[in-house]
Amino acid sequence: QVQLQESGPGLVKPSETLSLTCTVSGVSISSHFWSWIRQPPGKGLEWIGYIYSSGSTNYNPSLKSRVTISVDTSKNQFSLKLNSVAAADTAVYYCARRGSSWYEGTHYFYYYMDVWGKGTTVTVSS
Amino acid sequence: QSALTQPASVSGSPGQSITISCTGTSSDVGNYKYVSWYQQHPGKAPKVMIYDVNNRPSGVSNRFSGSKSGNTASLTISGLQGEDEADYYCSSYTSSSTLVFGGGTKLTVL
Repeated sequence: QVQLQESGPGLVKPSETLSLTCTVSGVSISSHFWSWIRQPPGKGLEWIGYIYSSGSTNYNPSLKSRVTISVDTSKNQFSLKLNSVAAADTAVYYCARRGSSWYEGTHYFYYYMDVWGKGTTVTVSS
Repeated sequence: QSALTQPASVSGSPGQSITISCTGTSSDVGNYKYVSWYQQHPGKAPKVMIYDVNNRPSGVSNRFSGSKSGNTASLTISGLQGEDEADYYCSSYTSSSTLVFGGGTKLTVL
């Protein structure tokens, strides 16, 4: 079955760049949309952005100036970079896939996440 | 973009029905049929329960149902069970081609 696994440093210093990778198994990363979502301690979910396997992206306007999401189809991975981090960026970071289905040869994409990673905790602190 | 508005908490007794509201604007909930609902147990990743306002993914109990009226979407859980105790989040597509989540609702089964 499809599985996603986040990886990366658990501690990042203020003003530095947070870098995370999501490794996808059980399905090719091609022809799908892939998302990053985060959740600060004790708070709600925040959508960060998504990328299509071709490389096209959409970002949360509030984070857009600091975020880059990229994809590496050869490794079946996609990544998140968030620069100039501060304490407010401390959160559990999840990677996820947008839901989709095939109908009569056409691939339809939905606006919900059907498969999630387990999440990785990133703390911003000196 | 502003987060969708959900009540902070709701509660109900086993067997009862509860409804969680999710209020947005004409730029998100009010103008699109792309509202989804997620269940999250402590320390776990969210799980989709409803998508496109009122569709259940395979494997989700038919005790979960969704609806929408104007700028407000709703999730109803009938026949409440102890395992339903969790946090619930709504999400909507927006006119900026982005996604936005609600602030979350803690469901307590009394």
